[in-house]
Amino acid sequence: EAQVTQNPRYLITVTGKKLTVTCSQNMNHEYMSWYRQDPGLGLRQIYYSMNVEVTDKGDVPEGYKVSRKEKRNFPLILESPSPNQTSLYFCASSSDRVFTGELFFGEGSRLTVL
Amino acid sequence: RKEVEQDPGPFNVPEGATVAFNCTYSNSASQSFFWYRQDCRKEPKLLMSVYSSGNEDGRFTAQLNRASQYISLLIRDSKLSDSATYLCVVRYNAGNNRKLIWGLGTSLAVNP
Repeated sequence: EAQVTQNPRYLITVTGKKLTVTCSQNMNHEYMSWYRQDPGLGLRQIYYSMNVEVTDKGDVPEGYKVSRKEKRNFPLILESPSPNQTSLYFCASSSDRVFTGELFFGEGSRLTVL
Repeated sequence: RKEVEQDPGPFNVPEGATVAFNCTYSNSASQSFFWYRQDCRKEPKLLMSVYSSGNEDGRFTAQLNRASQYISLLIRDSKLSDSATYLCVVRYNAGNNRKLIWGLGTSLAVNP
């Protein structure tokens, strides 16, 4: 089954404790992206990757890091989480060769930073 | 002014009703347009792309008006399962990035 898998789905952590949210897709997609979704602000792009070893900032990259060492994986790293990073996070992927606008999303990771 | 604006609703309609949502966008360089559906606390999923000539998929019809910079979604014969938030999405190229700008969504509740 074609899917984007994120882990963990739910996490409560404390300020400053480094964490990683993993994302993996099995569709051989070249394009991957991380979004956060907040009430009143909608979906905002954090980082994106056009292919292996190619990453770039989206609209709200501060406080986040990503890496793309393999095509299927695109982890999101919060080196020192702060309460303003409490949010619902989505990883998404798409075929870059023919970008139809369809992004395939993971089920989301709800993060709370105390 | 937001780049993509939608009426947040909620729209409360009875089963079988026809309901229409509008979405306006500000960037005239926008190239592609989409409607996504998001169920409560779930991930967004593509409902349909919006083509210049308008397009239909079953009970759903999407229209694009480039001159007035708005997109519409019409749902006929609403079902209970249509209850969700509908997100308007606009794409334009920004360097290497396929820049997608998301509306905040319009909430629809279809009642028995």
